[in-house]
Amino acid sequence: EVQLVQSGTEVKKPGESLKISCQASGYNFTKFWIAWVRQMPGKGLEWMGIKHPDDPDIRYNPSLQGHVTISVDKSISTAYLQWSSLRASDTAMYYCARLPYDFVWGSYRPSGFDSWGQGTLVTVSS
Amino acid sequence: DIVMTQSPLSLSVTPGEPASISCRSSQSLLHSIGYNFLDWYLQKPGQSPQLLIYLGSNRASGVPDRFSVSGSGTDFTLKISRVEAEDVGIYYCMQALQTPFTFGRGTKLEIK
Repeated sequence: EVQLVQSGTEVKKPGESLKISCQASGYNFTKFWIAWVRQMPGKGLEWMGIKHPDDPDIRYNPSLQGHVTISVDKSISTAYLQWSSLRASDTAMYYCARLPYDFVWGSYRPSGFDSWGQGTLVTVSS
Repeated sequence: DIVMTQSPLSLSVTPGEPASISCRSSQSLLHSIGYNFLDWYLQKPGQSPQLLIYLGSNRASGVPDRFSVSGSGTDFTLKISRVEAEDVGIYYCMQALQTPFTFGRGTKLEIK
């Protein structure tokens, strides 16, 4: 069974650092992209960025302006999202999600985020 | 960025009746390989989003055939032929043609 299990709820103060995790199981971690999606309180979904475990390139949403860092540790099939200095506006639920893909006529073809973590609630408040 | 516009923002449907949600993109999502890079997700109350439809019109594993999508390019419609109580939640369309991937604002489906 494919599972993405995320780390638990965090309560932090502005200016603090944080790293949350998403541990994958039940599939070959290096064969799928992994993304992070933010959902601010009462709001919709916002794509934050995506990384392939075998590719050094990371695609970020420019709206985040370098505020977060996405990384992976292939040895333990885990993806991370981290902040060096949190803001109150980072208060949100954060989801990781797996993206399968293949290649058709030399072009990459994604097949939807087919598995999601349970979410990590991050609250930033003084 | 590609802007995704959904309508309506909410709808209330009697069980057994059909429902439709529109999703429009600010540029064509039809890739040169012949697929629309558009996905649909449902976020049920208190849950993580789940994949309903990928690559324009393909139902994800386990999604009943009362869900279908029509349209291509910039205009898409998600149709539920007969709404059931389990369909309540917020429906999002998302383009995966280019980064940043972008979601619509969501459509909240309620049962009358």
